[in-house]
Amino acid sequence: LAKTTQPISMDSYEGQEVNITCSHNNIATNDYITWYQQFPSQGPRFIIQGYKTKVTNEVASLFIPADRKSSTLSLPRVSLSDTAVYYCLVGALPGNTPLVFGKGTRLSVIA
Amino acid sequence: DARVTQTPRHKVTEMGQEVTMRCQPILGHNTVFWYRQTMMQGLELLAYFRNRAPLDDSGMPKDRFSAEMPDATLATLKIQPSEPRDSAVYFCASGLPRQTGTYEQYFGPGTRLTVT
Repeated sequence: LAKTTQPISMDSYEGQEVNITCSHNNIATNDYITWYQQFPSQGPRFIIQGYKTKVTNEVASLFIPADRKSSTLSLPRVSLSDTAVYYCLVGALPGNTPLVFGKGTRLSVIA
Repeated sequence: DARVTQTPRHKVTEMGQEVTMRCQPILGHNTVFWYRQTMMQGLELLAYFRNRAPLDDSGMPKDRFSAEMPDATLATLKIQPSEPRDSAVYFCASGLPRQTGTYEQYFGPGTRLTVT
């Protein structure tokens, strides 16, 4: 499984765009990049998944450069309710191995 | 909307006692995961099942932990005997494989276990 590296924490003011970058230098050809969000006292929640270029949904955008060795989760105009831990996961299921959660990035949104 | 349910939500027990945690996956999901989360270790995968069959339980301490799926609507995680180091939040998640070959996992609210 590809190892991922994320910043431990980030702070942002309300209304700003937040970009969280994840490094995954040894990503394999068939690996996808998935992001989860975890609020305090809750289980993680799937946000977005991508393979290359850009993916956008109602919650976030995911930017993946051509070499796929990193990815950036972009949260537009964050609010206090976006305060959470964000996990970047890289992997696929060539066999029966699920994705492995790392330590994540703790985002604190300040009023 | 469909959700993963877990019981109990909180459990306080004394060292040496048996603890059983239950999970009801989302109807139709064929894969169930058990995780443990602590401040020190983060989210650790303990075991997972597909179509009720255990696929990997290498993350579990085998001597005291056991996981089963008696039927498609119930997954259980048992600790016997419990120890203070087992104190953590235990999450159950269910999911279906995506076309990408990965899973979109739906997590339950967790069981917060405290062993004194």
